[in-house]
Amino acid sequence: GQQLNQSPQSMFIQEGEDVSMNCTSSSIFNTWLWYKQDPGEGPVLLIALYKAGELTSNGRLTAQFGITRKDSFLNISASIPSDVGIYFCAGQIDSNYQLIWGAGTKLIIKP
Amino acid sequence: DAMVIQNPRYQVTQFGKPVTLSCSQTLNHNVMYWYQQKSSQAPKLLFHYYDKDFNNEADTPDNFQSRRPNTSFCFLDIRSPGLGDAAMYLCATRARGGRAEVAKNIQYFGAGTRLSVL
Repeated sequence: GQQLNQSPQSMFIQEGEDVSMNCTSSSIFNTWLWYKQDPGEGPVLLIALYKAGELTSNGRLTAQFGITRKDSFLNISASIPSDVGIYFCAGQIDSNYQLIWGAGTKLIIKP
Repeated sequence: DAMVIQNPRYQVTQFGKPVTLSCSQTLNHNVMYWYQQKSSQAPKLLFHYYDKDFNNEADTPDNFQSRRPNTSFCFLDIRSPGLGDAAMYLCATRARGGRAEVAKNIQYFGAGTRLSVL
């Protein structure tokens, strides 16, 4: 079945650093979604991508839909303490299929 | 204001004692999902409804059942909880069918119910 490889699994960074994470797929997707999940809460949508090459920003967050339609990355600039959490990518082949989830990237900010 | 509301936020049950988790939505979305999520893993889809049509994932245990009495509400019933069923249970919704949002494939999640089994 389809798989999503998300990396890195975890990141330990200093406040103020930039962060980059990515997801790659064995299948072509028509949608990439990036969610953030805080401890004890449900995932919250950060950015949605629908076209190959699309680059979308949401404040300090930027995500891109890869040209091959098999990958996506998420960047966070100038990280702050509230960025701590788990970031999930999720892709979809088309609307008749369910979301396929990456394993998540846990972001930890060192004091 | 919360658009997908899950109750309770925390549920403790005993081994083998049936439990029901609830989800309600104010988005009027056609599709509702139930996911199980364990310790920082990705959410795992249990089943979903397209309107009243129930769709079970192949590997969802029979111990898990669901009801959707109307568009706004959906319930997850765990008939005989085992220790391995302790997890976060997430409800999500998505628009479908002739609406602009349907093309966006976005699922909106509730805050989840943390289930403990003693």
